[in-house]
Amino acid sequence: GENVEQHPSTLSVQEGDSAVIKCTYSDSASNYFPWYKQELGKGPQLIIDIRSNVGEKKDQRIAVTLNKTAKHFSLHITETQPEDSAVYFCAASTQTGANNLFFGTGTRLTVIP
Amino acid sequence: GAVVSQHPSRVICKSGTSVKIECRSLDFQATTMFWYRQFPKQSLMLMATSNEGSKATYEQGVEKDKFLINHASLTLSTLTVTSAHPEDSSFYICSARGASGGSYTQYFGPGTRLTVL
Repeated sequence: GENVEQHPSTLSVQEGDSAVIKCTYSDSASNYFPWYKQELGKGPQLIIDIRSNVGEKKDQRIAVTLNKTAKHFSLHITETQPEDSAVYFCAASTQTGANNLFFGTGTRLTVIP
Repeated sequence: GAVVSQHPSRVICKSGTSVKIECRSLDFQATTMFWYRQFPKQSLMLMATSNEGSKATYEQGVEKDKFLINHASLTLSTLTVTSAHPEDSSFYICSARGASGGSYTQYFGPGTRLTVL
């Protein structure tokens, strides 16, 4: 089955700096890669996703890059703000069958004011 | 994005009782709903997948007789934790996915924190 690894597990940045979270996956059939933000005591919220037919996608301060050859994808947050502090999860899916999401282990991002 | 609600948000019960958690897709028809369990500071663990009108598919190690899932309509799925015990205390999160327009995105509910005394 799919195995998704995520690094780092914790990340602290100064407000205004950039944050990068990286994930790798094992199943070359995976072709859908969402990122979720989870605040304390809440459910995960989809912040951006990318499909395997594109290498990069951007939405304001958030961008995701995908390297299918190397089987890794990354989340980039620029101009970080204190409200970006949360746990971020990457996931991978094959988009076939049950379309289960396989989650990474999460990254706790702390933006220091 | 699409909205998924869960009820209740928090429940405390005595050991041996059963607890029902509802998951609703508010603005789209969810052909598939997923139930996850999350322990503190850990990732989401998929418990089961349910398609409307059919039996749920449980992940390995998840007891189907203990965690009853019903997906009776395209907007509602329920998870019943039967004869709950303290080790069942956890954060339970549902997600829903519709099939319109080829969408495969899962939208998550806000979660239900279950505490079994």
